[in-house]
Amino acid sequence: SAVISQKPSRDICQRGTSLTIQCQVDSQVTMMFWYRQQPGQSLTLIATANQGSEATYESGFVIDKFPISRPNLTFSTLTVSNMSPEDSSIYLCSVESTSGILEQYFGPGTRLTVT
Amino acid sequence: RKEVEQDPGPFNVPEGATVAFNCTYSNSASQSFFWYRQDCRKEPKLLMSVYSSGNEDGRFTAQLNRASQYISLLIRDSKLSDSATYLCVVKSTGRRALTFGSGTRLQVQP
Repeated sequence: SAVISQKPSRDICQRGTSLTIQCQVDSQVTMMFWYRQQPGQSLTLIATANQGSEATYESGFVIDKFPISRPNLTFSTLTVSNMSPEDSSIYLCSVESTSGILEQYFGPGTRLTVT
Repeated sequence: RKEVEQDPGPFNVPEGATVAFNCTYSNSASQSFFWYRQDCRKEPKLLMSVYSSGNEDGRFTAQLNRASQYISLLIRDSKLSDSATYLCVVKSTGRRALTFGSGTRLQVQP
């Protein structure tokens, strides 16, 4: 399985500010995924990021609020813009395995609190 | 209706008990099925994939019923370390991302 790291692991931010979360994978991957897990909830997909093209966003998520970069095959960033307390969540990146089963592996997550 | 539905629990069981979790999915185009485990304040980790023929990994048995769009996970001889939230996860044809159920919380008690 891939080894995935995320930075920062946690942060407390003021409303109206932005935070950029980094995701680094130890191998080259075609697709990276960004999920959000709100308190007490399950995971919801924000967007899918391919290298060299714009990210594909799920319903309810827009590029202006969650811009994503994917400069190469091992790295991606997710920015949470103009934050409000409702953005307090855990943000996780994931990658698809290269096995035939296509399961996904997750980074340790970034715990964001917006005050 | 949610695409993947699970009983949220919590399931409180004594050590050594057998416990079963159920999950239903609504998208008949779903092609891959998984159970993930999530410990408190940790990321989800793959527990096992679920195959049409059913599969077993030690104390864990997963089954899939495509006709009923139903997935199950059976845990035998529960250990304290099995306490976690178990997430039913589905991947649909044409989508690379996963769809998660809300999770079933298991608490194994001494």
